Amino acid sequence: GQNIDQPTEMTATEGAIVQINCTYQTSGFNGLFWYQQHAGEAPTFLSYNVLDGLEEKGRFSSFLSRSKGYSYLLLKELQMKDSASYLCAVLDSNYQLIWGAGTKLIIKP
Amino acid sequence: GAVVSQHPSWVICKSGTSVKIECRSLDFQATTMFWYRQFPKQSLMLMATSNEGSKATYEQGVEKDKFLINHASLTLSTLTVTSAHPEDSSFYICSARDMPENQPQHFGDGTRLSIL
Repeated sequence: GQNIDQPTEMTATEGAIVQINCTYQTSGFNGLFWYQQHAGEAPTFLSYNVLDGLEEKGRFSSFLSRSKGYSYLLLKELQMKDSASYLCAVLDSNYQLIWGAGTKLIIKP
Repeated sequence: GAVVSQHPSWVICKSGTSVKIECRSLDFQATTMFWYRQFPKQSLMLMATSNEGSKATYEQGVEKDKFLINHASLTLSTLTVTSAHPEDSSFYICSARDMPENQPQHFGDGTRLSIL
């Protein structure tokens, strides 16, 4: 079966750095997405990785290791507005997007 | 860029009513559109995938006669919840994607449906 694992909840402090991990086992791989979803709102696209390595986009970076079936989203200089759920999703060999359950990130002052 | 507009954002109606939700891509061609539902504190659940001009592909367990999907143009898809009942109350979200298939899905703001 297809499976995506990410922690259910994480807590971090304003101004700090947090890393949200995602491991996956899917039938084929055509890329991995990270989305941010604030409570009561729809998801917004953050990043896409298809090759190994680190992609940096402002305060957010996303890393991929295809051989390990592993990705992480790194958030720097945390702000209160970063409190949200972060969804990891993998595009499988049929270009179906398999969603993780999301990691709820709580930022404390 | 990549803006998706979804209307209405909130619907409250009586049991037995049919409700239509519209999803439009405003600045790109939505070759494929997706409809999701999400219950509180749960993950996204894909209901169906539709390609312009074709019949929608429904996920297992989703009743196609209950949830009618039309994708008549490259910028518009509609979901009609027919004869809605309280158990259909949920947060319905559409997303749209252009070609190639590894393009990200861009989401509408969602529709909160409450059936009394």
